[in-house]
Amino acid sequence: DARVTQTPRHKVTEMGQEVTMRCQPILGHNTVFWYRQTMMQGLELLAYFRNRAPLDDSGMPKDRFSAEMPDATLATLKIQPSEPRDSAVYFCASGLRTAKLFFGSGTQLSVL
Amino acid sequence: SQKIEQNSEALNIQEGKTATLTCNYTNYSPAYLQWYRQDPGRGPVFLLLIRENEKEKRKERLKVTFDTTLKQSLFHITASQPADSATYLCAPLNNAGNMLTFGGGTRLMVKP
Repeated sequence: DARVTQTPRHKVTEMGQEVTMRCQPILGHNTVFWYRQTMMQGLELLAYFRNRAPLDDSGMPKDRFSAEMPDATLATLKIQPSEPRDSAVYFCASGLRTAKLFFGSGTQLSVL
Repeated sequence: SQKIEQNSEALNIQEGKTATLTCNYTNYSPAYLQWYRQDPGRGPVFLLLIRENEKEKRKERLKVTFDTTLKQSLFHITASQPADSATYLCAPLNNAGNMLTFGGGTRLMVKP
């Protein structure tokens, strides 16, 4: 079964450290999303790409977050420097346009 | 601003009954609306998509309605089972829009 792969599954780090999360979208999908989920805020859209080009990253704190797609098989989300308020589950999702997205299992991030 | 509202309180029902979940939206004119299911510790999973010109859509025990006048979608699970217990998320989307934003989700608990 085709699936979206995210690594790492869990990450514990100290405040101020750089965090890199990786996502391998499903082969052939041209749209990739990054979401953050917390109990308080639910699923928040951070950024998304179509055909590897960033279309919108208005939901992302620009001073510390960055998202890239170096190639069609890899999307990355970086936080530098990380802060405790960044603790959340980060999901990557891929699809053809915005219908029927397939989500990864997420990266559980804890910033101490 | 655009807003998506789902009942944040958990819905508790008895096995065998029909569960009905509500998704209301404001300042939106969605061309279609999607429903996803999310289990604890996992990413959301796509269930159904309904277009604005479709009043109702069914898939096995699931039924979705879409009322563009009321700006509301209803999600029904008939003959509910404990395995249906999960959080259900709705996501309206404009034809012209590219982003996919989600409601806060409603947790469904089906008791045996």
